[in-house]
Amino acid sequence: NAGVTQTPKFQVLKTGQSMTLQCAQDMNHEYMSWYRQDPGMGLRLIHYSVGAGITDQGEVPNGYNVSRSTTEDFPLRLLSAAPSQTSVYFCASRTTEGVFGVTQYFGPGTRLTVL
Amino acid sequence: AQSVTQLGSHVSVSEGALVLLRCNYSSSVPPYLFWYVQYPNQGLQLLLKYTTGATLVKGINGFEAEFKKSETSFHLTKPSAHMSDAAEYFCAVSDQGGYQKVTFGTGTKLQVIP
Repeated sequence: NAGVTQTPKFQVLKTGQSMTLQCAQDMNHEYMSWYRQDPGMGLRLIHYSVGAGITDQGEVPNGYNVSRSTTEDFPLRLLSAAPSQTSVYFCASRTTEGVFGVTQYFGPGTRLTVL
Repeated sequence: AQSVTQLGSHVSVSEGALVLLRCNYSSSVPPYLFWYVQYPNQGLQLLLKYTTGATLVKGINGFEAEFKKSETSFHLTKPSAHMSDAAEYFCAVSDQGGYQKVTFGTGTKLQVIP
C-alpha cells in the first residue's frame, strides 16, 4: 500500500492565483481530512469528508474548497491564494469510527508559499 | 468542546536522560488520547493511543504514556533519550462517539543534546 500520497511536495504561488493540492489514499478509508500546520499553532482542520459526496468545514475553511467524488481522492482547492495561506498542508485518512479509536494516516505534506 | 494543552513548545534533554512531554486535555465526555510524532519534513505518525482499559499505554520506540483522569493528563515519557528521538510531538484528543473528531495540541519540539 502506498498509504496517503500528496502532490505537489512544494509549490510557490503569486497572490490571486488558484491551485489544487492533490491527495489520494489506497486504504479504502471513508474519512479524509485536510489540515494546515503553522508554527506554534499545531494542526488546524480545514475541511473533512466522511465519504464520497459528503464534505464539511473544519475550523479554518475560508479560502479553500473541497470535493469528494471517489473514496480514494480528496483534492483541496485554493480559490485565490493569499500570503496568509503560506503553510504546510497535510492530508489524512482514517476509518470513520471504531471501539479502539481511530488512527489517522498522514501524507508527507505540501509546502506552499504565497508571494 | 475538547481541547489539548501541551506545556512547553521546546524541550531539551541530554542523550540518555529521561524524556517527559506534558499534555493536559479538556473533554466533556470520556476521551480517546493520542501522541503523534513528526520527524523533519515528514507527516505525522502515531506513537501510541489510549482508548479504554489499562491506563499505561506503551508505544513504538520505547515511549509510553499514562492516562490520569483525575489530573486530565496524558504525559509522554521515555526512560532514555536517543538522538533519533529529536522530532516534534503532538498530543491529540477525540470523542469516543460519532465521527471522533480529533483536536491536536500545538506541539512540542524535542531536542536531544549529545
